[in-house]
Amino acid sequence: GESVGLHLPTLSVQEGDNSIINCAYSNSASDYFIWYKQESGKGPQFIIDIRSNMDKRQGQRVTVLLNKTVKHLSLQIAATQPGDSAVYFCAETFTGGGNKLTFGTGTQLKVEL
Amino acid sequence: DTEVTQTPKHLVMGMTNKKSLKCEQHMGHRAMYWYKQKAKKPPELMFVYSYEKLSINESVPSRFSPECPNSSLLNLHLHALQPEDSALYLCASSRGRGGYGYTFGSGTRLTVV
Repeated sequence: GESVGLHLPTLSVQEGDNSIINCAYSNSASDYFIWYKQESGKGPQFIIDIRSNMDKRQGQRVTVLLNKTVKHLSLQIAATQPGDSAVYFCAETFTGGGNKLTFGTGTQLKVEL
Repeated sequence: DTEVTQTPKHLVMGMTNKKSLKCEQHMGHRAMYWYKQKAKKPPELMFVYSYEKLSINESVPSRFSPECPNSSLLNLHLHALQPEDSALYLCASSRGRGGYGYTFGSGTRLTVV
């Protein structure tokens, strides 16, 4: 399944499928990006990050893709599991920006059994 | 230790009360932050401390007063809050430059009555 994170959309996927969560960022000067997972009642949990000198970075079951031309970021989760159900936020910052992290609007991922 | 610890986890206070939120990290991070998060919204930056000095105040009302006693501790003093200040207050820390290692605590759920 795939989503665009302009509001707080919901992405529903079947267990075992791959998930793609998208994010459009706003600042062309942003040079560091982070994906966070936030479960109900908890703080954002770091998933994976990427610097602007890279197009792709892989972690365990997750991949982040960065397209600077269109200011687009995506998070791919392979073999989605029930424990992946949460709200996912992208965040951006830039060198010289005082470490200010600006968040996207978020996407609710629901994994159906 | 790779955690940011926030206390208390829950707080209910009246509009005439004075209370404080506390945050602690022992990762050697030199930047610490306060964020405010309303339900179904992304976190919004309130304050940034860099090397124990306030570097960013996002036009936060004076009823919120931050304090950084040392490089490991961050407080948020609350006084004369309004019901609309009810939210999840998140503390975060990161390395001094570039925002790398940006880690969030679990937050304090604040209710103003």
